[in-house]
Amino acid sequence: GAGVSQTPSNKVTEKGKYVELRCDPISGHTALYWYRQSLGQGPEFLIYFQGTGAADDSGLPNDRFFAVRPEGSVSTLKIQRTERGDSAVYLCASSLNRQGGYTFGSGTRLTVV
Amino acid sequence: GESVGLHLPTLSVQEGDNSIINCAYSNSASDYFIWYKQESGKGPQFIIDIRSNMDKRQGQRVTVLLNKTVKHLSLQIAATQPGDSAVYFCAENIGGNQFYFGTGTSLTVIP
Repeated sequence: GAGVSQTPSNKVTEKGKYVELRCDPISGHTALYWYRQSLGQGPEFLIYFQGTGAADDSGLPNDRFFAVRPEGSVSTLKIQRTERGDSAVYLCASSLNRQGGYTFGSGTRLTVV
Repeated sequence: GESVGLHLPTLSVQEGDNSIINCAYSNSASDYFIWYKQESGKGPQFIIDIRSNMDKRQGQRVTVLLNKTVKHLSLQIAATQPGDSAVYFCAENIGGNQFYFGTGTSLTVIP
């Protein structure tokens, strides 16, 4: 597609539930990133994929968070046993390489109630 | 972790004036920097980048200045327009895949 697409745009879930957030990167972009942005803050790195493999998952806050990219294109960020502190905008980005930075999607606003 | 901070959290300017947004970074090993613009409800959008072997780079109406001695970046926007109203982030990279973002400066353009 023309840009990075994220679905859903908004997600409200109850504490303790499981959620999946989807990212469709720009076609041909091999690198895919997930960031989390809390209100009034800059994005914080979660995980980076190069192709199908998670090349760097050092930003995942704990083992409730997991992400996959099975075919090297679409990625899903999965959060188990959601907590109110997980409420944030989850941003996905893709790129061909480091030069020029990333192209971000519009994010999924997750609210845990 | 890294520390990328902005001196002014909010900035208001008159339409047509020039804007200057500042950013301090802490890691002297950072070799690549990007300024992003984020409008409400959207993801950050690339504005301009600069490598550490440069001290100035110009784009259309925007200029980025890098002072490695004091680890300081600035973004200058010429003839600021209402459409420039947004939150601006600087982001630094140390050669890997992560960018470290600052807190952001909210720019408001007064018509």
